[in-house]
Amino acid sequence: DVKVTQSSRYLVKRTGEKVFLECVQDMDHENMFWYRQDPGLGLRLIYFSYDVKMKEKGDIPEGYSVSREKKERFSLILESASTNQTSMYLCASSIPGQGYNSPLHFGNGTRLTVT
Amino acid sequence: AQTVTQSQPEMSVQEAETVTLSCTYDTSESDYYLFWYKQPPSRQMILVIRQEAYKQQNATENRFSVNFQKAAKSFSLKISDSQLGDAAMYFCAYSCLRVNNNDMRFGAGTRLTVKP
Repeated sequence: DVKVTQSSRYLVKRTGEKVFLECVQDMDHENMFWYRQDPGLGLRLIYFSYDVKMKEKGDIPEGYSVSREKKERFSLILESASTNQTSMYLCASSIPGQGYNSPLHFGNGTRLTVT
Repeated sequence: AQTVTQSQPEMSVQEAETVTLSCTYDTSESDYYLFWYKQPPSRQMILVIRQEAYKQQNATENRFSVNFQKAAKSFSLKISDSQLGDAAMYFCAYSCLRVNNNDMRFGAGTRLTVKP
């Protein structure tokens, strides 16, 4: 089975801190994604990546950046955390080459609280 | 822009009964995929079922089936013989190649409670 591992299940950070959320997948997937999940809003795409060192903005990239130095690792960075970034963050990956019909494989999520 | 709407924030069903979760979507594309994902309290989001838009036959996976109405842009999920383990958040999702490779759009979710 595909395993997508998010390094932290819960995080509490202070406003203004730089925050790193790490995600690792073990199935050589080229596609990796970061979503934000909020009640009543579903999942919203922050950033995605189709290859090493490649990144594209999703629907809500403001306040976030990403890094993909290795194929298996996709990091989400909050340059200066703010309280409105308190949320559940989900990382996902998908099988390369299958395009839009490829299901996403998700990590367990990181619940981030910014105080 | 493609949007996915789940109009039922919460649903409940008695164990062993059948429940249907609703989903509608908006698109001008003719070729796309639709998905239902389940997120139990453990948070691990898993794929329940998917449907190709060009297929008229409704997808089925054991107790889970869909009612896909392309003209109406409707994609409901039917859970038969509901079990306690079916309790979860259910998300409907849409994916279209032309928008972006694997650009998946999600609805707001429906929380399903299963009563013993």
